[in-house]
Amino acid sequence: EAGVAQSPRYKIIEKRQSVAFWCNPISGHATLYWYQQILGQGPKLLIQFQNNGVVDDSQLPKDRFSAERLKGVDSTLKIQPAKLEDSAVYLCASSPGQNLGPHFGNGTRLTVT
Amino acid sequence: EDKVVQSPLSLVVHEGDTVTLNCSYEVTNFRSLLWYKQEKKAPTFLFMLTSSGIEKKSGRLSSILDKKELFSILNITATQTGDSAVYLCAVGSYNTDKLIFGTGTRLQVFP
Repeated sequence: EAGVAQSPRYKIIEKRQSVAFWCNPISGHATLYWYQQILGQGPKLLIQFQNNGVVDDSQLPKDRFSAERLKGVDSTLKIQPAKLEDSAVYLCASSPGQNLGPHFGNGTRLTVT
Repeated sequence: EDKVVQSPLSLVVHEGDTVTLNCSYEVTNFRSLLWYKQEKKAPTFLFMLTSSGIEKKSGRLSSILDKKELFSILNITATQTGDSAVYLCAVGSYNTDKLIFGTGTRLQVFP
């Protein structure tokens, strides 16, 4: 079974620039998550999709972050404009259902300078 | 507010030692507790626990949940250098359907 694919692996941008991350979940997984993991901390959920609908985006900073999951498969997460405190690893995860442990991709490491 | 607390924050042992990692939680309407191992990349799934007192085992790793005292332990016996990683505990709630992660325990195993 192919895992969760994410790209790019690394991204360095200056503050106030925009950036986008892409995620392709495991085939057939209806639930997709985006997590932010700041160095030394556990992952924090940004947004959860069930198929192409948003289940939870309560911790997504909506003034600068946006995410979509068109057609209920791939997803993109965008930050515009980026701030220094957005430097983190952005993990995408997918699960066959909301009550099952998610499988994570390798993440995108974002550095904002 | 829901929270997950892991201890110790870090642990340094020698190969062959046995370690116990702790995870305590306060979550409304608990659904499940999950353990992940995170090396340099993605967290990899280890165990999901939903019932008290039933040990889950995979090789040298085992875990158990106590829903009365609100904690779980992850045991690793005969540690190896390949066990060096951050071990993350996450708890799911029926209320929110999302996982709340602890900050992790960093384990370093030296030869």
